[in-house]
Amino acid sequence: GAGVSQSPSNKVTEKGKDVELRCDPISGHTALYWYRQSLGQGLEFLIYFQGNSAPDKSGLPSDRFSAERTGGSVSTLTIQRTQQEDSAVYLCASSPMGRSDNSPLHFGNGTRLTVT
Amino acid sequence: LAKTTQPISMDSYEGQEVNITCSHNNIATNDYITWYQQFPSQGPRFIIQGYKTKVTNEVASLFIPADRKSSTLSLPRVSLSDTAVYYCLVGLNSGGYQKVTFGTGTKLQVIP
Repeated sequence: GAGVSQSPSNKVTEKGKDVELRCDPISGHTALYWYRQSLGQGLEFLIYFQGNSAPDKSGLPSDRFSAERTGGSVSTLTIQRTQQEDSAVYLCASSPMGRSDNSPLHFGNGTRLTVT
Repeated sequence: LAKTTQPISMDSYEGQEVNITCSHNNIATNDYITWYQQFPSQGPRFIIQGYKTKVTNEVASLFIPADRKSSTLSLPRVSLSDTAVYYCLVGLNSGGYQKVTFGTGTKLQVIP
């Protein structure tokens, strides 16, 4: 079946521009996560959605970062006034349930963001 | 959340069994242990999960001692295609919801 889909796969933008990254989770998965991975580094947690609400936004690095999820499905991560340090791979993951559950996460292949 | 410690890197020859150990001294009673594999330019992929003793699937085995303060991922007869970063995670049920935090992982290099 279809996995987690992220678009675009690559994005090059100029410093100061806004970007939107999209995630289509697996159908029926209620939990959705965004992570950031810098070159050669581990995964940095950004935000967690359960349905359309985000009970944990603690990983968002600054107020330039925001995310929303609509219809319990598609999620968009928005970065305003991009900076060069925002350059990284942004990964989205989903799982069937979020609360008191240990279902593994299913990841997309990420969006590689380059800020010039 | 339980913190995990695993080797930064490992090398192995093709055909050998590889064991990667992860330490998680402050694992909580309800926490599961999960391992993911990540190839370059891809998102992590679930390999195996366990709570205690031994779990085996078509890809790997996971050994968990009685005190659960560590776990060992065992990959039988590795091939070049097993070259990847392997992440150990603990704490899927922490905080009343599933907050999943990744460490830096173990970079496995399989040598011909």
